[in-house]
This record gives sequence, structure tokens and C-alpha cells, in this order.
Amino acid sequence: DVKVTQSSRYLVKRTGEKVFLECVQDMDHENMFWYRQDPGLGLRLIYFSYDVKMKEKGDIPEGYSVSREKKERFSLILESASTNQTSMYLCASTRTSVVTDTQYFGPGTRLTVL
Amino acid sequence: SQKIEQNSEALNIQEGKTATLTCNYTNYSPAYLQWYRQDPGRGPVFLLLIRENEKEKRKERLKVTFDTTLKQSLFHITASQPADSATYLCALDRGTGGFKTIFGAGTRLFVKA
Repeated sequence: DVKVTQSSRYLVKRTGEKVFLECVQDMDHENMFWYRQDPGLGLRLIYFSYDVKMKEKGDIPEGYSVSREKKERFSLILESASTNQTSMYLCASTRTSVVTDTQYFGPGTRLTVL
Repeated sequence: SQKIEQNSEALNIQEGKTATLTCNYTNYSPAYLQWYRQDPGRGPVFLLLIRENEKEKRKERLKVTFDTTLKQSLFHITASQPADSATYLCALDRGTGGFKTIFGAGTRLFVKA
């Protein structure tokens, strides 16, 4: 079974703090994604990575950066957290870049920025 | 720009009935559509994929239709059970090639015993 894990289930940070969210997949998947999920808005793509050290902006990259130094690990960084970044953050991976490939999601990190 | 609409109101049905959820899209023609299930506090889990040249797909008690003329997909759960209670998300490719998908906001389903 594919397993995607995220470093924290719940996180509380203060405005202006630097925040790191970590995601690890154990199935040698090529692609990894970071989404945020807000009520009524669905999942919105922040960034994705199609290879080690390769990244591409999604729909809402402002205020975020990412890092993929190893194939299995994809980190989301909030350089200076703000209250409007309070959200559920979901990481996902796909085995290949075939358009119909299934996305496997982690359990999510609920981030609250005070 | 591409837009996906799912009914934001929760759907309440009685156990044993068929639940039908709707996904409408506008402004583009996706090549495929997926349905995911999400339980509270969990990440989405893939259920079914249907391609634009397929009218219907079935998996156990699940059935998905894809009407490219109406720009709509219907997701049916027959003989529903309380364990089917969850949020169901539809997801479509962006129609521009590549492997990124767009997700709808989801519809919450409650099945009462």
C-alpha cells in the first residue's frame, strides 16, 4: 500500500513565524503536490514537484515555497506565516506523470496561525 | 477559467436508498474525471476514474456517468449504508495536457440508519 505521511496533524504558529510542513511518500513516486483545503473552496494547488529539485507553481503559490532534496520528501515552507494561511494542508503523490494517474493523499496538517 | 461546481448543501438520505451526487463543470472539456471520498480529518481517497469517451463506469455499489454534452458527472451509491457518510469530491484534468487536476469543493453525504 502506498503511504503518504505528513509530519504533524495539528500545528499552531504565530504570525510572522517560519513554518515547515513535511511530507514523505514511501513508494518511489515521481510527483508530489501540496494543496490547501478551505471550506467551500475545495483543494487548491500550491506547488508541485515532478522530480528531485524540480518544482512548479500551482494556482496559489504566493507566500509559500517548497523544497524537494530527496525523491521521497517534499517540504512546504511558509516564510512568514499570516492568519490567512490558517488552513488544512494536504500533500499528495502520483507514481508517474500519466494524466490519469491516481493521487495518493496524506492525512493532512491543520495549521492555525494566530 | 475552468470551473467545477458541486452541490454545497449536504445530502441526507435513508439507509438502503440510492445517493446521487452531481459535478458540473464549465469553460473547458476535460479528458477524464475522478471521484474521491474524504472522511473528516483525513485526506481524500480515490474511488473511480471515467474518461471522456466512457459514458458510465461501475465499481461494486458505485456508478459514475460522464455526459460531455451536459458537462456533468453523476455519482451514484446504491443500497447506501451509514458507513458511506463522507464528503465526495470530483476532480478533473485541466484540459491543457499535463497531470494537474482541479478539485471541486465536495458534497457532504449523510446516510441515516
